[in-house]
Amino acid sequence: NAGVTQTPKFQVLKTGQSMTLQCAQDMNHNSMYWYRQDPGMGLRLIYYSASEGTTDKGEVPNGYNVSRLNKREFSLRLESAAPSQTSVYFCASSSWTSGMSSTDTQYFGPGTRLTVL
Amino acid sequence: AQSVAQPEDQVNVAEGNPLTVKCTYSVSGNPYLFWYVQYPNRGLQFLLKYITGDNLVKGSYGFEAEFNKSQTSFHLKKPSALVSDSALYFCAVRPDSNYQLIWGAGTKLIIKP
Repeated sequence: NAGVTQTPKFQVLKTGQSMTLQCAQDMNHNSMYWYRQDPGMGLRLIYYSASEGTTDKGEVPNGYNVSRLNKREFSLRLESAAPSQTSVYFCASSSWTSGMSSTDTQYFGPGTRLTVL
Repeated sequence: AQSVAQPEDQVNVAEGNPLTVKCTYSVSGNPYLFWYVQYPNRGLQFLLKYITGDNLVKGSYGFEAEFNKSQTSFHLKKPSALVSDSALYFCAVRPDSNYQLIWGAGTKLIIKP
């Protein structure tokens, strides 16, 4: 039982390049999330997916796209990377789904450290 | 605006002493409250949560947190700190009408031998 896995662990991009961050969970969770973590700012939600086939914007969606490929996988794409997107990216999952009480716990992957030059 | 505050960027405690990491929030209704810990170069790990009931919640690794509704606080505590407790601690709050977590900025806890 690996929990939440993310690839790659590290990535360096040049401005304007594109890339996709991969995330998978094996806990049969309904919801998945993408966050970015910047020093002194806590975690900020980029996008989330409450169920397979649905995605919604979070607090800071600009410059990103997501795909909920199936129940297990949720990818984050940077189409044209900018230095402001230098950050640590975390994927998380939880059992929550729309209509449920929101008391569930989120489980996090190990993160992807992205540098955009 | 709804917010979570962790007023201390860093807390320094001697090993064996009690520790407190503070969290206050400004959220409407009856929120759900969480503490997570992040060790260096790792993802966040769930420590404990308050949903309802007893104001003192016990969690992993000997941590506990006290919910105080009148002071809108949810401080994390441990009676005797270990060097291995050194990490970054995040408080998060979920309004009862919302799926999203509102995160504090984090507090770096340093336990000195």
